[in-house]
Amino acid sequence: DAGITQSPRHKVTETGTPVTLRCHQTENHRYMYWYRQDPGHGLRLIHYSYGVKDTDKGEVSDGYSVSRSKTEDFLLTLESATSSQTSVYFCALSGALTDTQYFGPGTRLTVL
Amino acid sequence: AQKITQTQPGMFVQEKEAVTLDCTYDTSDPSYGLFWYKQPSSGEMIFLIYQGSYDQQNATEGRYSLNFQKARKSANLVISASQLGDSAMYFCAMREGSFYNQGGKLIFGQGTELSVKP
Repeated sequence: DAGITQSPRHKVTETGTPVTLRCHQTENHRYMYWYRQDPGHGLRLIHYSYGVKDTDKGEVSDGYSVSRSKTEDFLLTLESATSSQTSVYFCALSGALTDTQYFGPGTRLTVL
Repeated sequence: AQKITQTQPGMFVQEKEAVTLDCTYDTSDPSYGLFWYKQPSSGEMIFLIYQGSYDQQNATEGRYSLNFQKARKSANLVISASQLGDSAMYFCAMREGSFYNQGGKLIFGQGTELSVKP
């Protein structure tokens, strides 16, 4: 499996507070993704990155921003968390030669 | 319209029997990829199998095979000789368009929960 870690693994926060989730890889893969998983919706793409400082929006990007200042780290930020952002967040990555995506362990975020 | 449809919210199968999980997709792009992932109760997403739209043969990986029927736009997952450890949620996903044009973004179905009975 690709070396992907996510931090924190669990977080409880209050409405209106900023939250940053980190995805770290040791595989030097170019493409990285953030998804959220909610009951009844499967996984939905929030943002993705196709290189350092190159990012683009996904299906459910409102309320989220991302940054990628180096290959190994992809950060997802909720500027002002809302209860609707309570979810499980998955990071994924893929290389240029194969587009199979490998997922991190997930972060469970609860916004009270 | 749903891009990926998994019509079976839950299924049961007897241990050692084969089971088919249904997935239909909708795209007008001639280049696409189809994926199946397994999510056990522990929560991680495990890649199982991949089928490209131009692949002539059905993909196989051990006990997993993908029954790819392009004209019907279906990509069913077949698990042979089910094991208790196969109990999990299974997701079908599609990369619509070529990887380099679309950046590999995946669209997921809602999943099928498979329970294997001893």
